[in-house]
Amino acid sequence: DTGVSQNPRHKITKRGQNVTFRCDPISEHNRLYWYRQTLGQGPEFLTYFQNEAQLEKSRLLSDRFSAERPKGSFSTLEIQRTEQGDSAMYLCAGVRGQNTEAFFGQGTRLTVV
Amino acid sequence: AQSVTQPDIHITVSEGASLELRCNYSYGATPYLFWYVQSPGQGLQLLLKYFSGDTLVQGIKGFEAEFKRSQSSFNLRKPSVHWSDAAEYFCAVAFNNNDMRFGAGTRLTVKP
Repeated sequence: DTGVSQNPRHKITKRGQNVTFRCDPISEHNRLYWYRQTLGQGPEFLTYFQNEAQLEKSRLLSDRFSAERPKGSFSTLEIQRTEQGDSAMYLCAGVRGQNTEAFFGQGTRLTVV
Repeated sequence: AQSVTQPDIHITVSEGASLELRCNYSYGATPYLFWYVQSPGQGLQLLLKYFSGDTLVQGIKGFEAEFKRSQSSFNLRKPSVHWSDAAEYFCAVAFNNNDMRFGAGTRLTVKP
């Protein structure tokens, strides 16, 4: 158990709908990352928070994607007007202090139909 | 450009045989280096990591990896593979302590 939980585990949505995923790291995880993983690929970096501040966003994160970490604890990732290409596993990872070891949640699998 | 390469998409080994999974990176300095394993339906689990010091690092489940600066490589090894080792293995590097990049992964199949 990595201490990072993600909800929901699975989400099926119709194209054009909005979806929101949640990640709950442990309190010691001052850094929080979002990744996207498609079949047969490694996780691709999306965005990263240091406490509540969003410090970096990948070019993969189009304007339909937004992430928040309002109190430096849990984080949400919202996708607006979903497209079939958004179908993927969305992974969250927490990092404690300056230790770069990341602890991953089990992910949210999104299917856009 | 910064990159992580896992040259082997799929490897099949017999149970009890030795294993080596390759990982190469491209970066101007030595990054932090990791190997993660992902079983079907499971999250990523850290096997081992290299930050500095001894270039041969030991991890969980009998895995080890060796950092070779001259080859920009961080290959994962196990002397005797078990059927339960069948999974997807990802090499990852952190270039500036806040951005971890993953290779495309190597899928390991273990034959009985």
